[in-house]
Amino acid sequence: KQEVTQIPAALSVPEGENLVLNCSFTDSAIYNLQWFRQDPGKGLTSLLLIQSSQREQTSGRLNASLDKSSGRSTLYIAASQPGDSATYLCAVTRGGTSYGKLTFGQGTILTVHP
Amino acid sequence: GAGVSQSPSNKVTEKGKDVELRCDPISGHTALYWYRQSLGQGLEFLIYFQGNSAPDKSGLPSDRFSAERTGGSVSTLTIQRTQQEDSAVYLCASRPGLARGLDTQYFGPGTRLTVL
Repeated sequence: KQEVTQIPAALSVPEGENLVLNCSFTDSAIYNLQWFRQDPGKGLTSLLLIQSSQREQTSGRLNASLDKSSGRSTLYIAASQPGDSATYLCAVTRGGTSYGKLTFGQGTILTVHP
Repeated sequence: GAGVSQSPSNKVTEKGKDVELRCDPISGHTALYWYRQSLGQGLEFLIYFQGNSAPDKSGLPSDRFSAERTGGSVSTLTIQRTQQEDSAVYLCASRPGLARGLDTQYFGPGTRLTVL
């Protein structure tokens, strides 16, 4: 059974810092990996999706990397801002009959203070 | 365009009552998922619909839970004889299709269910 772990569980940083969120998964046979953001009382917003054949994806100040063989992904946030404060979730999918079903980590609660 | 919508946004019910939760996916999206987010369990997959294929119900926690998707669009998740452990946020997501590049899932705001 796939298990996804996110470290740290919570992170508090001053505005302007660069930071890294970590995600690990136990079964390397993934189809893709997604990073989501969740604001309090809201649904999830997809930030980046990395296909299993890719090594990284970038969007603005966000960069996500994937090392499938070692079962790891990182989300790098550059020049953090208070508006980045949210819970960040990592999720993986398998192919085949499990297509698209997301297995989530527990999330990292990020607080960026002015 | 409009995103995924869910109704109601909040539902409070008494133990033993049945509830129906509704999801309107993004128009044209062929795949629809239901997930549950609870304090103890995090985010868990419940059920998956793809086009006209039989749904994947492997995540439903008990036979009190069922879901249908009518006309390949709107979906309803039904929980019969609700229990307090059913209290959670129920999230719906849709995806454009099956091909690579169409697999980003778009989530609705969720329905917060409280069973008293």
